[in-house]
Amino acid sequence: EPEVTQTPSHQVTQMGQEVILRCVPISNHLYFYWYRQILGQKVEFLVSFYNNEISEKSEIFDDQFSVERPDGSNFTLKIRSTKLEDSAMYFCASSVRGQGETQYFGPGTRLLVL
Amino acid sequence: AQKVTQAQTEISVVEKEDVTLDCVYETRDTTYYLFWYKQPPSGELVFLIRRNSFDEQNEISGRYSWNFQKSTSSFNFTITASQVVDSAVYFCALSEALTGGGNKLTFGTGTQLKVEL
Repeated sequence: EPEVTQTPSHQVTQMGQEVILRCVPISNHLYFYWYRQILGQKVEFLVSFYNNEISEKSEIFDDQFSVERPDGSNFTLKIRSTKLEDSAMYFCASSVRGQGETQYFGPGTRLLVL
Repeated sequence: AQKVTQAQTEISVVEKEDVTLDCVYETRDTTYYLFWYKQPPSGELVFLIRRNSFDEQNEISGRYSWNFQKSTSSFNFTITASQVVDSAVYFCALSEALTGGGNKLTFGTGTQLKVEL
């Protein structure tokens, strides 16, 4: 069964460093998302991406964040200058269509900023 | 704004007991979708069910059942004859359509279910 994959599973970085989190959505899906979950808290929406552009972003998704679909399969989240509070689990998700469609999540990347 | 409330932070049951996880939502949309996801200790988010606002029929899938009550804005999840493998955090989520395409999920705070022998 097709699934969303994410790499790396864990990443440790120093404050101020850039990180790129990678995702491979399900191949026939058209909508892509990033969410984050700070340890012990709820899952929060970061950004949605469709037709090679951001369709919506949350207040969390400030200028330090960017997303890209560099080729036909990968979907990346870049944090330019990491802060301690960026430490969280980052989930990529994809859905085949838009409104109301089920979003399938990847296994997550646990990011720790020291 | 959309809101999902899962008032039960943690529930502990003994194996084979039935357990119900509550979810109450708020939305101004007339068409909306509700979801349940399971997050086992390994951390991934596993999709369990999707329900649209026009379908109030309850659903059963094996030991799992869902009760959607539009009148009370609730979408509760029952596990019958719970098993240790059901131990996880369960999230209820509400979908909001985005004008630019796609939909955004608003999650509740989750209910930690512990099933003990």
